[in-house]
Amino acid sequence: SQKIEQNSEALNIQEGKTATLTCNYTNYSPAYLQWYRQDPGRGPVFLLLIRENEKEKRKERLKVTFDTTLKQSLFHITASQPADSATYLCALYGSSNTGKLIFGQGTTLQVKP
Amino acid sequence: EAGVAQSPRYKIIEKRQSVAFWCNPISGHATLYWYQQILGQGPKLLIQFQNNGVVDDSQLPKDRFSAERLKGVDSTLKIQPAKLEDSAVYLCASSSMPGQGAYEQYFGPGTRLTVT
Repeated sequence: SQKIEQNSEALNIQEGKTATLTCNYTNYSPAYLQWYRQDPGRGPVFLLLIRENEKEKRKERLKVTFDTTLKQSLFHITASQPADSATYLCALYGSSNTGKLIFGQGTTLQVKP
Repeated sequence: EAGVAQSPRYKIIEKRQSVAFWCNPISGHATLYWYQQILGQGPKLLIQFQNNGVVDDSQLPKDRFSAERLKGVDSTLKIQPAKLEDSAVYLCASSSMPGQGAYEQYFGPGTRLTVT
């Protein structure tokens, strides 16, 4: 069955360091992979989308890589700030055009000052 | 631009009671989604509408859950009767028509349902 795995343990890092979050998947061939941020009591907010033929995507301090051979995406936040503390969700989108996303369980990032 | 609106924000009911949630998507968004998010998990798609029609309801427990999207705008999700395991946050999201290059989804704040 299709499975998406993100680190279930919280990631704690010091302000200014680079945070790296992992998203692994099995039995799936996504056309797109998306990353969302979710703060407590709020809905997810879209951050980045990367296509299967793209290796890397950047947006300000964010960088996403997508390795379809390893079936893995890495999400990096450089020069992290306490305001980056949140839960980060990866979501896979299939090759059909129905727009259906399958979400991982999320990884909580805590950036300490 | 106004975001996705949902109401109520919180609801507490007893098991076997019924409950309804309302969602107003971003203006012009053809696709509307309802997700269930259990604590500690990612959102799980319950139903997806494109305009008035249902695109995917494969994970909707149809014996107790129902949803409609009248006139292709607002939507309601109903649970009747509720079970303890329905306690979760119910998220509504919307997006532009797939195929127009805009696959990101915009989420509302969610409704936190507690079934006692």
